[in-house]
Amino acid sequence: KAGVTQTPRYLIKTRGQQVTLSCSPISGHRSVSWYQQTPGQGLQFLFEYFSETQRNKGNFPGRFSGRQFSNSRSEMNVSTLELGDSALYLCASSIAYVGSGLRPNPLHFGNGTRLTVT
Amino acid sequence: AQSVTQLGSHVSVSEGALVLLRCNYSSSVPPYLFWYVQYPNQGLQLLLKYTTGATLVKGINGFEAEFKKSETSFHLTKPSAHMSDAAEYFCAVRENTGTASKLTFGTGTRLQVTL
Repeated sequence: KAGVTQTPRYLIKTRGQQVTLSCSPISGHRSVSWYQQTPGQGLQFLFEYFSETQRNKGNFPGRFSGRQFSNSRSEMNVSTLELGDSALYLCASSIAYVGSGLRPNPLHFGNGTRLTVT
Repeated sequence: AQSVTQLGSHVSVSEGALVLLRCNYSSSVPPYLFWYVQYPNQGLQLLLKYTTGATLVKGINGFEAEFKKSETSFHLTKPSAHMSDAAEYFCAVRENTGTASKLTFGTGTRLQVTL
């Protein structure tokens, strides 16, 4: 079974531009989460999507947004890029069940997209 | 609010020596706990998880961790380190509320293995 696929692997953008990152989850996984990893702040939760709906959001400005499609693929967008947005952006997917209680299914991570803002 | 503290940002051990990476958590409800490993230029790989039941959890690559509620700890151990274990290790907690999958990570511990 293919793992979580993130594209592109590397991206260089200029301040003020916007960027879109893509994530294809493991087949059958309906939950997709995004995390930002930086040397200073570590791993920080951005948001989670399930069935095309955002059901959890981290403490990031509105410049960070995302969406999920009917096939569970997800994209995240960062507008008006700042130097501090340079980071490794990780996508993770999991099997998630709604209505039958919490399922502690682990997150499966992709290899990330390394974004450099100059 | 939940949180995770990893003691020691860098740990160095000799090949064949015991590996001990420390993790303490804070959670207002019974937690689910995870250890992940990250190799250079890669994402996070799940080593092991604690949900309910047995407090000693065995994972991949010979790692194990013990959930100690009284000490709010979930330390990661491996009896004998191998050069291939050199990587960064993250402890994470997930609260048992709702259906969301949000993880709160510790700051990570970089493990160095020397000859």
